[in-house]
Amino acid sequence: AQKITQTQPGMFVQEKEAVTLDCTYDTSDPSYGLFWYKQPSSGEMIFLIYQGSYDQQNATEGRYSLNFQKARKSANLVISASQLGDSAMYFCAMREIVSGATNKLIFGTGTLLAVQP
Amino acid sequence: EAGVAQSPRYKIIEKRQSVAFWCNPISGHATLYWYQQILGQGPKLLIQFQNNGVVDDSQLPKDRFSAERLKGVDSTLKIQPAKLEDSAVYLCASRRPGTGARNEQFFGPGTRLTVL
Repeated sequence: AQKITQTQPGMFVQEKEAVTLDCTYDTSDPSYGLFWYKQPSSGEMIFLIYQGSYDQQNATEGRYSLNFQKARKSANLVISASQLGDSAMYFCAMREIVSGATNKLIFGTGTLLAVQP
Repeated sequence: EAGVAQSPRYKIIEKRQSVAFWCNPISGHATLYWYQQILGQGPKLLIQFQNNGVVDDSQLPKDRFSAERLKGVDSTLKIQPAKLEDSAVYLCASRRPGTGARNEQFFGPGTRLTVL
């Protein structure tokens, strides 16, 4: 069965510094997608970045980049130049394909990031 | 474009009562999802619709939960009767048609349910 593991329940980072949020995954499917979502206290899940299993390069979206190490089955999120507004829960998720249905997301337990001034 | 809309935002009920949540996806999004997010956990898929048909409801507790998506647009999730363990945030998400590699899901603000 597919599984996402986030081992950091909480993280602190100083404003303007970079921070890495860990994510490891387990799947036997050669074709999969990895997503990171941000969930502020308001509750809405906000899409941040996507990495496909066949993508040759690590994904980047503004201050977000994904450190994708396929052999180690890890997809860590790097946030550069942290801002106070980055304080939120961060979820790693994997797209699972089941019986022809697409885009079922399996989520990890999340990491709570606190950015300190 | 307008995002995914959900109502109500908050609901408090007593156990054994019934409750219903409503979701209106982004216009043109054929796929709609309902997730349950228990405090301290990631969201868990309850049911997935493609237009007005059910694609996956394997994790929906069908003895008490039901969902429908009439006319393939908005959707309602119902719990009857509610249990204490149903206290959670219920998230609705939608996705545009197509099988593109990325094609991310867009989430609504969620409904926070408290069962007393």
